[in-house]
Amino acid sequence: GESVGLHLPTLSVQEGDNSIINCAYSNSASDYFIWYKQESGKGPQFIIDIRSNMDKRQGQRVTVLLNKTVKHLSLQIAATQPGDSAVYFCAENTGTASKLTFGTGTRLQVTL
Amino acid sequence: DTGVSQNPRHKITKRGQNVTFRCDPISEHNRLYWYRQTLGQGPEFLTYFQNEAQLEKSRLLSDRFSAERPKGSFSTLEIQRTEQGDSAMYLCASSLGAGRSSYNEQFFGPGTRLTVL
Repeated sequence: GESVGLHLPTLSVQEGDNSIINCAYSNSASDYFIWYKQESGKGPQFIIDIRSNMDKRQGQRVTVLLNKTVKHLSLQIAATQPGDSAVYFCAENTGTASKLTFGTGTRLQVTL
Repeated sequence: DTGVSQNPRHKITKRGQNVTFRCDPISEHNRLYWYRQTLGQGPEFLTYFQNEAQLEKSRLLSDRFSAERPKGSFSTLEIQRTEQGDSAMYLCASSLGAGRSSYNEQFFGPGTRLTVL
């Protein structure tokens, strides 16, 4: 399939290590923040979301942290696996029309 | 597989031709979105429907673009007089929304890759 994100920032981690992917957002009025994973040739896949009145939310092997003071969002992946290799996008929703505004992606490469 | 399907998966066309893409959302979802994604970028919002009503259009959606959702189920996106700058991945997403401003998870289809020669 085609490559997603040819010139994206890249994070390289070893299998089993924890990964942290960061994102800065721009709209202080956004009410939800979402992380998506995109593999080559596929559409974005929902990972986890967080409402603006929270600062942390945990899922299976993933944790999202929200710092509204500095408009920063991070995704932590525990015990990173080869299947986690993909491009990761943060997105924000302002509540109007529920459209998503995506940030710049980060390519995660998991080395064995 | 999210349950959202798009056809065709790939389309190659010559500049000036018209193309039409189809999206079939998850059946009970009342909201349907179109996004465009170019290499190295995140998806950009184009337009969205709540049932059959097109409620918002991005300034990216020039008058050569038209989207429809005639029966509130599948949607089509047509591009007339294609230009090389239209080359991109066109993504469709659907969600179940309770009110106009409520947020619900969007499920994305695999996209249609358009190449304009």
